[in-house]
Amino acid sequence: DAMVIQNPRYQVTQFGKPVTLSCSQTLNHNVMYWYQQKSSQAPKLLFHYYDKDFNNEADTPDNFQSRRPNTSFCFLDIRSPGLGDAAMYLCATSRDPTSATFTDTQYFGPGTRLTVL
Amino acid sequence: QKEVEQNSGPLSVPEGAIASLNCTYSDRGSQSFFWYRQYSGKSPELIMFIYSNGDKEDGRFTAQLNKASQYVSLLIRDSQPSDSATYLCAVPMDSNYQLIWGAGTKLIIKP
Repeated sequence: DAMVIQNPRYQVTQFGKPVTLSCSQTLNHNVMYWYQQKSSQAPKLLFHYYDKDFNNEADTPDNFQSRRPNTSFCFLDIRSPGLGDAAMYLCATSRDPTSATFTDTQYFGPGTRLTVL
Repeated sequence: QKEVEQNSGPLSVPEGAIASLNCTYSDRGSQSFFWYRQYSGKSPELIMFIYSNGDKEDGRFTAQLNKASQYVSLLIRDSQPSDSATYLCAVPMDSNYQLIWGAGTKLIIKP
């Protein structure tokens, strides 16, 4: 089945210790998104890629970086995690926005729960 | 600043009753609307999208869109305990393919 996969599902790190979260997709979608979601809050978009074109949200801290080495994979790097970065990190994908069948639908992976000690 | 607003709840509904969830949006030009369901500790999953005025039905779920009043509703008929979740409303931004998310309404179905 075509899907969005995130690894690991749970990540525990220490304050200030870099961490990398990964996302892969078999949907062959052009757009990949990284969201941060804290308890009882809406998902907050950190950045997204349209193919190799990187788009950073204005309020995304510099502590967060991303890489997309190919269509299938995207990584979220947190360079120096703070206690406030503990959250669920969601990866999502959507089709080519120029496609006639585009509907803005985003498909989510299962998420990675990050704990910062 | 485009916004999507939802009542945070919790909304408590007896099993078998109709659950009604509402979402209002600020951008009069919005064309399509999404409802996602999110179980506690899980990621959002799409349950409905609607892009024209009126009703769209899918099984026990009905989405209702009223563009003049700028609201979209989700009705869940014959509510089941498994419907207990947070329901997120999302609206695309007009100039690109990002979504503006509501904070979600927590729904509790009481057996």
